[in-house]
Amino acid sequence: GNSVTQMEGPVTLSEEAFLTINCTYTATGYPSLFWYVQYPGEGLQLLLKATKADDKGSNKGFEATYRKETTSFHLEKGSVQVSDSAVYFCALDYNQGGKLIFGQGTELSVKP
Amino acid sequence: DTAVSQTPKYLVTQMGNDKSIKCEQNLGHDTMYWYKQDSKKFLKIMFSYNNKELIINETVPNRFSPKSPDKAHLNLHINSLELGDSAVYFCASSQGGNGEAFFGQGTRLTVV
Repeated sequence: GNSVTQMEGPVTLSEEAFLTINCTYTATGYPSLFWYVQYPGEGLQLLLKATKADDKGSNKGFEATYRKETTSFHLEKGSVQVSDSAVYFCALDYNQGGKLIFGQGTELSVKP
Repeated sequence: DTAVSQTPKYLVTQMGNDKSIKCEQNLGHDTMYWYKQDSKKFLKIMFSYNNKELIINETVPNRFSPKSPDKAHLNLHINSLELGDSAVYFCASSQGGNGEAFFGQGTRLTVV
């Protein structure tokens, strides 16, 4: 079946460090891929998305590229801030009425 | 003006009780969802409604019954609560079931 696997957290970085959170997926066909972010005590917010192979999603300095050949959608940011501390979820939507399949989440903690 | 609002935010109740969580969205979306987030932050879809019609019903005990009086509201009623029902429940909405979901702030349910 369809599934998403993320790197385990927590990830702890210093401010201005480079961030990569790995995400790989298993799906037949061509799902849409998403990154959602959950700040402490809040619901999830869509961070970025990509709907087809080689698409790059970007928002707030974050970016991720849909790599069909490696079935990956890794999240990157060149310089993280303390305010980026949150849990990040990779997800796919396989055209099943908006049903999102989530990875297990990766907690990011950025220290000043 | 909150886009997806859930009430209550916190709910503590005893085993065996019946409780409801309400959700409303003012985005004009046609699809609404309930997701469950466990203590390890893993998110899984429970139900989805499109224009008041149930379209996704995952393997959820029939003690859980969603109700959609109109397309802006999706409530979740839970009968005979069990300890294992303790979790954070998120309501979400999207337009056309496209995976770009807007989430509420969540309801933290604790069964004692």
